[in-house]
Amino acid sequence: AQSVTQPDIHITVSEGASLELRCNYSYGATPYLFWYVQSPGQGLQLLLKYFSGDTLVQGIKGFEAEFKRSQSSFNLRKPSVHWSDAAEYFCAVQSQGGSEKLVFGKGTKLTVNP
Amino acid sequence: DAGVTQSPTHLIKTRGQQVTLRCSPKSGHDTVSWYQQALGQGPQFIFQYYEEEERQRGNFPDRFSGHQFPNYSSELNVNALLLGDSALYLCASSLRGSSGYTFGSGTRLTVV
Repeated sequence: AQSVTQPDIHITVSEGASLELRCNYSYGATPYLFWYVQSPGQGLQLLLKYFSGDTLVQGIKGFEAEFKRSQSSFNLRKPSVHWSDAAEYFCAVQSQGGSEKLVFGKGTKLTVNP
Repeated sequence: DAGVTQSPTHLIKTRGQQVTLRCSPKSGHDTVSWYQQALGQGPQFIFQYYEEEERQRGNFPDRFSGHQFPNYSSELNVNALLLGDSALYLCASSLRGSSGYTFGSGTRLTVV
């Protein structure tokens, strides 16, 4: 069965510092990979996705993620965090082929200190 | 272009009651999926509807049921509510065969 692990429940960084959120997945083949962000009481907004090809993908709001097949990881990064990035971040996987369900990790809550 | 619309935004129900949540998909989308997000957890897949039929189902009891209408909108029904059903219920729409989902803002259900 597919599973997603986000090892860090809560991360605190200072504004302007770099950020890396970790995501590891367990799946028989390479799935589609996603990062979503959720502000308090809100739905999910897609930050970026990986289907195939270049393993470094760029997303919105200055985020990027790198797919590493050997490590079954898809870590999210941002060079300089802004206060508005404070939110909860979810990594998700999906079986290739489209229309399949998303399997989410438990999320990482990001706090940004001024 | 309207995104995914869910109603109501908040709801309080008593144990044992029944509830219906509604979702209008993004324009051009024909597939609707429902997710349950308990406090402090990631979303869990409930089921997916396409062409007015349930196509996939997650590990949820049959107290959870749904429906899709000819205009692609969808309802999620939960019978015999339990305290543990308290959660944010998210609707996601997509175009069949694609891998892009658009999520609504959710319905916050509280069972007391």
